[in-house]
Amino acid sequence: DAGITQSPRHKVTETGTPVTLRCHQTENHRYMYWYRQDPGHGLRLIHYSYGVKDTDKGEVSDGYSVSRSKTEDFLLTLESATSSQTSVYFCAISDNRGLREQYFGPGTRLTVT
Amino acid sequence: GQQLNQSPQSMFIQEGEDVSMNCTSSSIFNTWLWYKQEPGEGPVLLIALYKAGELTSNGRLTAQFGITRKDSFLNISASIPSDVGIYFCAGPNTQGGSEKLVFGKGTKLTVNP
Repeated sequence: DAGITQSPRHKVTETGTPVTLRCHQTENHRYMYWYRQDPGHGLRLIHYSYGVKDTDKGEVSDGYSVSRSKTEDFLLTLESATSSQTSVYFCAISDNRGLREQYFGPGTRLTVT
Repeated sequence: GQQLNQSPQSMFIQEGEDVSMNCTSSSIFNTWLWYKQEPGEGPVLLIALYKAGELTSNGRLTAQFGITRKDSFLNISASIPSDVGIYFCAGPNTQGGSEKLVFGKGTKLTVNP
């Protein structure tokens, strides 16, 4: 298994509070991704990173920001959580060899009340 | 944007039966990936296909890269209860940056003992 961990694994928070999710990898892969998974929508890309301090938006980036100050860590921040951001969040990594395989972390279940 | 259509959406089978599912697109893909996701876990990469016509096996799983490059198939032989999960196909986005993947919405497999 690829060395990917996510923290926390579960979180309940209130509307309007800031939340940060962390993804940590031990594979030294260049690319890191944040997805959300919701019933009926499948996996949707929020943001991704193609190197330290290099990030770009995905298809559902509104309300989310990311940061990558080290190769191994990719943070996803909800500046002011809303109930529509209740979801399961997955981090994924991919190497820089030209292949497009992505390896996923175990996920974080976030509930915004 | 690009879309991947998976069918069937769900399957209910008896243990020991063979399973077939497919993934189609209106556009060409140059890589096909098949993932399995079990409840409460992240998707796990099962098989990667890189060449039209390629047939690749992983234990009881066999996947094929369609000749037209617009489809892929996954077969599971002699199903067992631990095959339960959601199976996703994915491929690199050739319209918006191939470092991103396009995902199908999954085929949910239930195996009755």
